Amino acid sequence: RKEVEQDPGPFNVPEGATVAFNCTYSNSASQSFFWYRQDCRKEPKLLMSVYSSGNEDGRFTAQLNRASQYISLLIRDSKLSDSATYLCVVNNDFQKLVFGTGTRLLVSP
Amino acid sequence: EAGVTQFPSHSVIEKGQTVTLRCDPISGHDNLYWYRRVMGKEIKFLLHFVKESKQDESGMPNNRFLAERTGGTYSTLKVQPAELEDSGVYFCASSATGVKTYEQYFGPGTRLTVT
Repeated sequence: RKEVEQDPGPFNVPEGATVAFNCTYSNSASQSFFWYRQDCRKEPKLLMSVYSSGNEDGRFTAQLNRASQYISLLIRDSKLSDSATYLCVVNNDFQKLVFGTGTRLLVSP
Repeated sequence: EAGVTQFPSHSVIEKGQTVTLRCDPISGHDNLYWYRRVMGKEIKFLLHFVKESKQDESGMPNNRFLAERTGGTYSTLKVQPAELEDSGVYFCASSATGVKTYEQYFGPGTRLTVT
């Protein structure tokens, strides 16, 4: 079983839609949680850290449920430019990041 | 502020040859990491430097891989001799110390093809 599991998608949504991604992690000792965005053949870019209290950055909202060991990302009012792969990432120890395989999002006009 | 840079962007070598990848972290970042993505798989951790010291090298696949960070600035990752399964994208990342230490910023990667 992978340490971080994500639905690979793709999620096909129209512009303006709301879309949600979930991921689960297996290590209950995981300390920090992130969503990264990766465009085709580019590097991962930090989208947002995820805190236990939940956090919001514009159209993006991230939630963490430690008891169930899952992390979510909600994107409201999807834009064409949101099309990318969204990577769920956890940090277990010594700052080593563990990546999911990513969820692909396609936003169409 | 310049981001993480990596050189070369692409490298094609034959099995048995040697390749050296270079990473320049964000200025002032003491933490430097190497990761790798092989075809169809998730990105995986290779190792972590704090300044010039190896903090964690648990992800290094075998002794054909050698990472250095002399002087605590840029880092190199040498693969010698390269094997077919070493093909993939090698990413470098860096992070600051303190409260932001867990936020890692990635370079554009080096795409390595071993033929």
